[in-house]
Amino acid sequence: DSGVTQTPKHLITATGQRVTLRCSPRSGDLSVYWYQQSLDQGLQFLIQYYNGEERAKGNILERFSAQQFPDLHSELNLSSLELGDSALYFCASSVGLAGVADTQYFGPGTRLTVL
Amino acid sequence: AQKVTQAQTEISVVEKEDVTLDCVYETRDTTYYLFWYKQPPSGELVFLIRRNSFDEQNEISGRYSWNFQKSTSSFNFTITASQVVDSAVYFCALRGDKIIFGKGTRLHILP
Repeated sequence: DSGVTQTPKHLITATGQRVTLRCSPRSGDLSVYWYQQSLDQGLQFLIQYYNGEERAKGNILERFSAQQFPDLHSELNLSSLELGDSALYFCASSVGLAGVADTQYFGPGTRLTVL
Repeated sequence: AQKVTQAQTEISVVEKEDVTLDCVYETRDTTYYLFWYKQPPSGELVFLIRRNSFDEQNEISGRYSWNFQKSTSSFNFTITASQVVDSAVYFCALRGDKIIFGKGTRLHILP
């Protein structure tokens, strides 16, 4: 158990809908990262937040957004969902100071299925 | 541009055999970090090791060992005396200004 929690574990929805995925980092970690894992794209970095502020952006679509709240939990919002958004979405957390020095610990993931 | 290549898509070995998973990376950064993660059938990603670009010492942790060679831009992972519980997908990752994962190697340990 990494100490990172994600809810829900599974999510099934329809195209065009909007969903919110939630992540609670390990105690003491200030950075939260979101990743998408799909069969064709592999594991891709989406976005990083550090202490409430956006720190780095990866291959995140404009239909997706995220935020980190004062209690450090984070939410990833996916809107206008398409079939291709079906994937496993991971959250990871790290202490988050200098950035590159950090080891990220991953949550169990949320499996999103878009029908 | 950064790139991580795990050329072995899938490997099968019989239990107790040694197996090496290859990872080759590309980066122009002088400071970077390399990672290995394990993804067992249950799906979660488990951190195995982190190595920074200035530390080329090999590392051994139980049955696991890692060989980092900057000259060949490789960070290979060896499991000695493999066990069925080692069956998983293993990812190599490179972190410079952002983190890039390889496509992973699916390892089957046959009883």
